[in-house]
Amino acid sequence: GAVVSQHPSWVICKSGTSVKIECRSLDFQATTMFWYRQFPKQSLMLMATSNEGSKATYEQGVEKDKFLINHASLTLSTLTVTSAHPEDSSFYICSARDNPGDQPQHFGDGTRLSIL
Amino acid sequence: DAKTTQPPSMDCAEGRAANLPCNHSTISGNEYVYWYRQIHSQGPQYIIHGLKNNETNEMASLIITEDRKSSTLILPHATLRDTAVYYCIVRRYNFNKFYFGSGTKLNVKP
Repeated sequence: GAVVSQHPSWVICKSGTSVKIECRSLDFQATTMFWYRQFPKQSLMLMATSNEGSKATYEQGVEKDKFLINHASLTLSTLTVTSAHPEDSSFYICSARDNPGDQPQHFGDGTRLSIL
Repeated sequence: DAKTTQPPSMDCAEGRAANLPCNHSTISGNEYVYWYRQIHSQGPQYIIHGLKNNETNEMASLIITEDRKSSTLILPHATLRDTAVYYCIVRRYNFNKFYFGSGTKLNVKP
């Protein structure tokens, strides 16, 4: 079945640094990928839609300059958290879909980001 | 997309069927019902989806009422590994985005 891989699975870094998270579709091509964030004991919140070869579209309230998204190929999207601060600590999850219509999205295993 | 309502939590005895309800009373004709689950600290796992007919796969069965205003996910023989948060999502055909509600925390007990 469709597999989505995220890397790294866990990252700890100092406040003020930028962190890049990769999302890859391993056995299918994804023109569209999605980035979510999840705080403890809360549901997933859609942050943005990553479109191959064009700009990402962000959900209301999500800072596009803070969360940079690049979708350079049909199998790779990256999320960069710029100048990260402790309040950016969260669980970040990506997803992708291989075909349009009613096909489901497939999710990666998430990246736990901790900013000290 | 239509909003969904799920109970916050449910208990189920190991080996028994787990029936998880979802209300989507404002669903429209081209919207599908999807079920995912999330085991602690992992990404959501796709379970099943359907439009109006009942669906079954190796993981579960999906029963959608005739008026499509509600559905039930059935795990026929729940195991401890089925303990997770289960999300019911409604999304229209060919639309990209999924919006997650609060889901149901299923606790499978020995």
